[in-house]
Amino acid sequence: DAGITQSPRHKVTETGTPVTLRCHQTENHRYMYWYRQDPGHGLRLIHYSYGVKDTDKGEVSDGYSVSRSKTEDFLLTLESATSSQTSVYFCAAAGRQNTEAFFGQGTRLTVV
Amino acid sequence: GESVGLHLPTLSVQEGDNSIINCAYSNSASDYFIWYKQESGKGPQFIIDIRSNMDKRQGQRVTVLLNKTVKHLSLQIAATQPGDSAVYFCAEPAGGSNYKLTFGKGTLLTVNP
Repeated sequence: DAGITQSPRHKVTETGTPVTLRCHQTENHRYMYWYRQDPGHGLRLIHYSYGVKDTDKGEVSDGYSVSRSKTEDFLLTLESATSSQTSVYFCAAAGRQNTEAFFGQGTRLTVV
Repeated sequence: GESVGLHLPTLSVQEGDNSIINCAYSNSASDYFIWYKQESGKGPQFIIDIRSNMDKRQGQRVTVLLNKTVKHLSLQIAATQPGDSAVYFCAEPAGGSNYKLTFGKGTLLTVNP
C-alpha cells in the first residue's frame, strides 16, 4: 500500500448523518484521489487534490466534499449520507505526473 | 458481499494459456497509461505503465501494447496462473498540471485450473 492508510476500514452509518473518511500518506505525494467502487462501475473518481488546499471535482462529486489542509491527509466528507453512497471507497496518491498512483486498502461504508 | 466483478467484461482462460485484456482510451493527447490489478477485497496494485512514445513495453510475464492510431491498449499475460485471477483496469491520466486520474471499467479475468 506504499504508506497509504485509510480510516476507518469499515463503517455503518444512518441516513442523514455526516461521515468523514480519512486518507493518510507518508510518502509526501503531491497528488491524492478519492474513488468509489460499485459493482459494474469500476473505479469512479469523486474528488482529487493536486496540492495542499488545491482540489477539484471528479465524475461523481455530488454529495461529497473534500479537504486537504496538509500534504499527508486528504479527507472525504459526506455531508448527509444517503443509501446511494453505500460503497467501497479507495484513496490513492501519486508523487508526480506520469507515474503510478498507489492505493489504500479501501473503506467499506454502509448507509442504512 | 457483492463482487465488484459483477457486470464487468469477463475473460476466462485455462491455466498456462496467454491472456489478452483490452482497453480503449478516449483522449488522443494522452501521453501516459497505466495498468492495475485488483484482487478480491484489496486495493488496486500497479502492474505496468507505458508512455505514448512507445508501442510496447515488457515486464515480468506481462506486455503492454499501445496503438495510438485506434486509441487502444492491451495487456498480455503470458502463461496465466490462478494467482492472476483479478479485475484489471487501465488508467489514463488527463493532461494538464492537475493530473486527474480516471479508470476504465475493468475486466474480470478468471483462470481455470
